[in-house]
Amino acid sequence: RKEVEQDPGPFNVPEGATVAFNCTYSNSASQSFFWYRQDCRKEPKLLMSVYSSGNEDGRFTAQLNRASQYISLLIRDSKLSDSATYLCVVAFTGGFKTIFGAGTRLFVKA
Amino acid sequence: ETGVTQTPRHLVMGMTNKKSLKCEQHLGHNAMYWYKQSAKKPLELMFVYNFKEQTENNSVPSRFSPECPNSSHLFLHLHTLQPEDSALYLCASSQDGQRINYGYTFGSGTRLTVV
Repeated sequence: RKEVEQDPGPFNVPEGATVAFNCTYSNSASQSFFWYRQDCRKEPKLLMSVYSSGNEDGRFTAQLNRASQYISLLIRDSKLSDSATYLCVVAFTGGFKTIFGAGTRLFVKA
Repeated sequence: ETGVTQTPRHLVMGMTNKKSLKCEQHLGHNAMYWYKQSAKKPLELMFVYNFKEQTENNSVPSRFSPECPNSSHLFLHLHTLQPEDSALYLCASSQDGQRINYGYTFGSGTRLTVV
């Protein structure tokens, strides 16, 4: 089993749609969780951290479920500019170990 | 300049060449990283430096040699590479390698092609 697994997609959605991605991780000792966004041929950029209580940043909502070992990202009212690959990232405090998922491709169409 | 700067942006090199990738961060971070991103694969951690000390070498072949002269600069020296080493090489920094609560900041990467 991969340490961090994501559905590679692609997800093809119309503008205005709501779309959700899940990511599962295998190591229960994981400490920190993030979603990154990577545009084609560009570097990953931090989208948001994921906190145990869940957190929201505008149209984006992230959730963490430690019991089931998954995190999720919900995008509401999708924009064309949301088209990108979304990377799930799991980090282990004190171990310098950070695992990136392979990413989920999102295409938002007009 | 701000953020994390990588040079060159693109590099084509022969298998017998020696070249170096450079990374500089202007964020006051103490940890720097080299990652490799191949097509359709997750990012692979190569090296970690925390307060200039190498703390992680993720079983990287010796044809890749990192150097970290100070907390702001990181190099990746390349020699006798193979075509399968062609990839996007990303440098990243974080406040502290021990606590990654705030995530990484990545440079724009060097796209390396080995011919």
